[in-house]
Amino acid sequence: DVKVTQSSRYLVKRTGEKVFLECVQDMDHENMFWYRQDPGLGLRLIYFSYDVKMKEKGDIPEGYSVSREKKERFSLILESASTNQTSMYLCASSPPAGANTQYFGPGTRLTVL
Amino acid sequence: GQNIDQPTEMTATEGAIVQINCTYQTSGFNGLFWYQQHAGEAPTFLSYNVLDGLEEKGRFSSFLSRSKGYSYLLLKELQMKDSASYLCAVSLMNSGYSTLTFGKGTMLLVSP
Repeated sequence: DVKVTQSSRYLVKRTGEKVFLECVQDMDHENMFWYRQDPGLGLRLIYFSYDVKMKEKGDIPEGYSVSREKKERFSLILESASTNQTSMYLCASSPPAGANTQYFGPGTRLTVL
Repeated sequence: GQNIDQPTEMTATEGAIVQINCTYQTSGFNGLFWYQQHAGEAPTFLSYNVLDGLEEKGRFSSFLSRSKGYSYLLLKELQMKDSASYLCAVSLMNSGYSTLTFGKGTMLLVSP
């Protein structure tokens, strides 16, 4: 059974803090993605990675960075959290090549105070 | 830019049939996905269309017309557990990478 896990279901941080969100997949997938999901705006792509140490900007990368040191792990970093980064963050992974189904983790609801 | 439209909300009755439409204007089209997302949970894969026509999978079917930029998800014999948000997502190829662009989702409420 496919499995994507995220380090926390709920997280509360203060403005200006550095925040790490971790995602791990056990399917040996090359591609990994970070999205945020907000009411009325849907899922928006922040960053994605198609290989270890590779990263590409998505539609809304500002204020975020990522790290992919191992194939199974993809981290999203908020260098200095702000209140407008309060959101649900979803990680996904997929096999390489073509339009492949993305498998999602359970999400992390981040609140920045 | 990319544009994907789907209705915000729909309501239907248990046992009925409902059709959720999705229209898109994109470049680099590489297929269309439908996902189901229950409140507080992760999206889960329902269907994928890359060629024109209807794909049937049990109570759920999905249709695609690439020339019209149009897809629909058809849910038959509705059950209460089908109350969820349904996400239309277009797969785009860009510089050799495949990414998904999502619509805002359609919240379906099934009533007894």
